[in-house]
Amino acid sequence: GAGVSQTPSNKVTEKGKYVELRCDPISGHTALYWYRQSLGQGPEFLIYFQGTGAADDSGLPNDRFFAVRPEGSVSTLKIQRTERGDSAVYLCASSLASGAYNEQFFGPGTRLTVL
Amino acid sequence: KQEVTQIPAALSVPEGENLVLNCSFTDSAIYNLQWFRQDPGKGLTSLLLIQSSQREQTSGRLNASLDKSSGRSTLYIAASQPGDSATYLCAVGAGGFKTIFGAGTRLFVKA
Repeated sequence: GAGVSQTPSNKVTEKGKYVELRCDPISGHTALYWYRQSLGQGPEFLIYFQGTGAADDSGLPNDRFFAVRPEGSVSTLKIQRTERGDSAVYLCASSLASGAYNEQFFGPGTRLTVL
Repeated sequence: KQEVTQIPAALSVPEGENLVLNCSFTDSAIYNLQWFRQDPGKGLTSLLLIQSSQREQTSGRLNASLDKSSGRSTLYIAASQPGDSATYLCAVGAGGFKTIFGAGTRLFVKA
């Protein structure tokens, strides 16, 4: 597809469960970002990938959160032992390059609800 | 620590009015600034990207300026239309690879 896609669009889970959120970036984009957005707030940076490696994971809130990008394209954000406070919209973005020229393009997001 | 603030938090204007949205940031060591639009329940749409060496960018009815030394950016929307109603987010490319967002300005343009 032409844009960034994310699946599922909505995910409802119970407290303590494990979830995986998927992001398909724009073809050819080497940079990939994950963000979390709570109601009424701007997106909060979680992790940045350049190719297959996580160049900056300083935004991950704790060790229950983990993300991979094994082939440098699709990325999966994994959340273990979910808590109600993890409920938010998880956004993925990709860009052609990093630094000053990195215009980021966002997917529609996955709305995660932890009951 | 870089912080991004957007003022006002919400704005309601009649159709046809020119308006300015403000964004300020605390650390001038940025490498770019990007303005986005977000419609309810949707992802973000990139509007304008200003690199740190630039002072402004224009696209159609939109003009964004950047003053790094004062830590400010403005988004100017000319001849506003009801279809411009959305939340407008400012984001700065900060140290490392982080992008720091403001909380946004919710704009409502009345027909």
